[in-house]
Amino acid sequence: ETGVTQTPRHLVMGMTNKKSLKCEQHLGHNAMYWYKQSAKKPLELMFVYNFKEQTENNSVPSRFSPECPNSSHLFLHLHTLQPEDSALYLCASSQASRTSGRTDTQYFGPGTRLTVL
Amino acid sequence: GQQLNQSPQSMFIQEGEDVSMNCTSSSIFNTWLWYKQDPGEGPVLLIALYKAGELTSNGRLTAQFGITRKDSFLNISASIPSDVGIYFCAGSKTSYDKVIFGPGTSLSVIP
Repeated sequence: ETGVTQTPRHLVMGMTNKKSLKCEQHLGHNAMYWYKQSAKKPLELMFVYNFKEQTENNSVPSRFSPECPNSSHLFLHLHTLQPEDSALYLCASSQASRTSGRTDTQYFGPGTRLTVL
Repeated sequence: GQQLNQSPQSMFIQEGEDVSMNCTSSSIFNTWLWYKQDPGEGPVLLIALYKAGELTSNGRLTAQFGITRKDSFLNISASIPSDVGIYFCAGSKTSYDKVIFGPGTSLSVIP
């Protein structure tokens, strides 16, 4: 049990569908992240939210739209995806510190396995 | 951009053997993290290292922060079947920088 939950765990969608991925963290953290994990590739950072504000958009196509209504919840809205978007989408959270100098140690959810047909 | 290299890319070992893997960077990092990912699951943090030369253990796992600050090592002693998975290293320069992940080392344990 990592304290970060993601739903759904599996999702199959057509290219014209609209769907959303949900992430919730129960760790009291103030930063949340979306990553994409494709086969044979390192984890790719997509979005970062610190204190509900988006601080990073790593050149992600507009067909991916994040939403962070509060520090515990993070969504990834999907529309008109392509087959190459099929991957494991991971959410993570951390406690950002501007005083300790330590890296935000990130805790991951189990991921959503997305298949785009 | 910054990249981390992990070696070996994959390894097959007999149950009970010790395992060593490493992670290298062309840049200096101030934090190194080691994660394990089981199939179909998200990465789970194993060990976090914050100081050059630091040696930290978590059960049968031991990780070291290289003194050059450009590498880190993970050792697993007396491997067991549940050690199977992909081991990722990650690093960053400061708490404000992005965490960079390596490509992973895939470990298979033969009973």
